[in-house]
Amino acid sequence: EDQVTQSPEALRLQEGESSSLNCSYTVSGLRGLFWYRQDPGKGPEFLFTLYSAGEEKEKERLKATLTKKESFLHITAPKPEDSATYLCAVRSGATSGGSYIPTFGRGTSLIVHP
Amino acid sequence: DTGVSQDPRHKITKRGQNVTFRCDPISEHNRLYWYRQTLGQGPEFLTYFQNEAQLEKSRLLSDRFSAERPKGSFSTLEIQRTEQGDSAMYLCASSRMTGNYGYTFGSGTRLTVV
Repeated sequence: EDQVTQSPEALRLQEGESSSLNCSYTVSGLRGLFWYRQDPGKGPEFLFTLYSAGEEKEKERLKATLTKKESFLHITAPKPEDSATYLCAVRSGATSGGSYIPTFGRGTSLIVHP
Repeated sequence: DTGVSQDPRHKITKRGQNVTFRCDPISEHNRLYWYRQTLGQGPEFLTYFQNEAQLEKSRLLSDRFSAERPKGSFSTLEIQRTEQGDSAMYLCASSRMTGNYGYTFGSGTRLTVV
């Protein structure tokens, strides 16, 4: 069974204070690791897909990286509007006994103070 | 492209009543997913459709839950004989065939069973 653990559960930063969120995973044959952003009362919003160790993706102040066991979401010089819950999800390959449906972690709640 | 629409946004019902939610996906997306999310948790997979065919159901989906996607367009999720434990945010998402570009989620239906 695919497992996803995100840490920390909550993170408070000052505006401009860079940090990283962690997503540790256990899957049988990774077929994609996804990062989403979720604002209160709304559905998750897709950010990135990563497929193989060493891969990196960037979008504005966010950069996602992937190793064989974990992914990091680096936030550089965050602004208050970056405050949200960040969710990680992993998808394993059906041919290796898993499912094509992603399994989500519980998320990291990020608050950026001005 | 107006995104994924869900109706209603909020539903309060008495225990034992039946409720039905509707999801209108992005028109060119042939996959549609239902997830459930409770406070502090990540989305949990319930079921998904490829066009009009329901291809997978989670073990979480009890016999009281049923989903349909007639003609491969909109979808409905019905919960019969609601229980207090059914209180949650019900999220609908859609994607192209592979889902490699992530899912587009709707804003969800918040169900409260009293």
